[in-house]
Amino acid sequence: SQTIHQWPATLVQPVGSPLSLECTVEGTSNPNLYWYRQAAGRGLQLLFYSVGIGQISSEVPQNLSASRPQDRQFILSSKKLLLSDSGFYLCAWTWDKSYGYTFGSGTRLTVV
Amino acid sequence: SQQGEEDPQALSIQEGENATMNCSYKTSINNLQWYRQNSGRGLVHLILIRSNEREKHSGRLRVTLDTSKKSSSLLITASRAADTASYFCATVAGIKAAGNKLTFGGGTRVLVKP
Repeated sequence: SQTIHQWPATLVQPVGSPLSLECTVEGTSNPNLYWYRQAAGRGLQLLFYSVGIGQISSEVPQNLSASRPQDRQFILSSKKLLLSDSGFYLCAWTWDKSYGYTFGSGTRLTVV
Repeated sequence: SQQGEEDPQALSIQEGENATMNCSYKTSINNLQWYRQNSGRGLVHLILIRSNEREKHSGRLRVTLDTSKKSSSLLITASRAADTASYFCATVAGIKAAGNKLTFGGGTRVLVKP
C-alpha cells in the first residue's frame, strides 16, 4: 500500500532563518506531488506541484521554492523565512485526476 | 485562488441528525472531491464525483453534483460525534490543465454534539 511521510510535525523558526520541509511517498512510482499551505481556519492554497523528477511548477509567487530530487521525494524550502510564511503546510500525492489525493499529516510552521 | 465557496461556513447538529453542506464552483470541472480534516491534521479523501455523474454514495455519505448550477452537496446521514471535522470540496479543472491540480473551497466546520 502507498504511504506518505511528512516531517517535521511542528517547527518554530526565527525570521530570516532557512527552511526545509521534506515529503516522501512509498509504495508507488511517478506520483504527482503537491505542496499546499493552509492559513488558520481557511482552505488550502496550492504552492507547488510536480509531475516528475526535476519538474516543478509554482502557483503563487512567494518566498518559497520546491525541489524534487528523487521520484518520491518533494522538498519545500526557503532561504529566509518571513512572518507571513507561518501556516500549516501539507504535502499530497495522486496518480492522476481520476483519483483522490492522499495527504500527509502536515507541518505546522510558526515564524517568530 | 479558491475555486469553490462552501455554505454554511459552520454547522452545529445533534448526534443522529443529518448534516448537509453545499459547494459552488466557477469553472468547468473534470471532477469534484470532498475531504475531511480533523483539527490540526491532514486531509482525508472521502469521495470523488465525475462531471458526468449526478449522485454518488459511500456509506453514510451522499454527494450530488449539478454541473448546470456549478454546485455540489455533501450529506452525512445519522451523524456521529466522530464526524466532527472540517469538510472541504475541491475541484479538478475540466480543460486539459497541467498537473491535475486540486483547487479547494474554504470549508465547512461541522460540530456534532453528543
